[in-house]
Amino acid sequence: GQNIDQPTEMTATEGAIVQINCTYQTSGFNGLFWYQQHAGEAPTFLSYNVLDGLEEKGRFSSFLSRSKGYSYLLLKELQMKDSASYLCAVGGTGFQKLVFGTGTRLLVSP
Amino acid sequence: DTEVTQTPKHLVMGMTNKKSLKCEQHMGHRAMYWYKQKAKKPPELMFVYSYEKLSINESVPSRFSPECPNSSLLNLHLHALQPEDSALYLCASSQGVEVVMEKLFFGSGTQLSVL
Repeated sequence: GQNIDQPTEMTATEGAIVQINCTYQTSGFNGLFWYQQHAGEAPTFLSYNVLDGLEEKGRFSSFLSRSKGYSYLLLKELQMKDSASYLCAVGGTGFQKLVFGTGTRLLVSP
Repeated sequence: DTEVTQTPKHLVMGMTNKKSLKCEQHMGHRAMYWYKQKAKKPPELMFVYSYEKLSINESVPSRFSPECPNSSLLNLHLHALQPEDSALYLCASSQGVEVVMEKLFFGSGTQLSVL
């Protein structure tokens, strides 16, 4: 089966840096996605990692370590609009199935 | 056009009603998905269509019936639903080269309430 763990909730201050962790256990591994979801809205794609290392995209970066079953999403220069849920989603092999973690609700305060 | 459009945005139905959710995309994507999301929970995959053929059915009850009339449209027919089926129903699409393991484009969802 697949098991994905993320912290339920995090708080941070505008302008700060926050790291949202995701640990996973899957039968095989076929890539890891991060999605952002504002309350009442659809998830939107942030990043995709399939190889170890850091992928940087503007204020957002995502890191993957396949040997440790671990990823993080790093958000820099936080803005109020970054208040949202951040979903880690992992694909295992053989089932063509992408499983979402429970998501981390991030609250950015002034 | 990078949008996935879902209608209606909100739907209230009784347990004996028959209704349909609709989803449309014009990005030329060949894979389309239905997800169910309960409040404060992650999206759960229900169905995947790849090149207009049903490729994944995640053991969804038969009161949910998907249909893919063409490569741009995806429907979800609802019949005899239960109150526990109340949720946000999300449609998504992707290019279809590596079904499921691709960037998903989500619609804004239909918030369904079953009374």
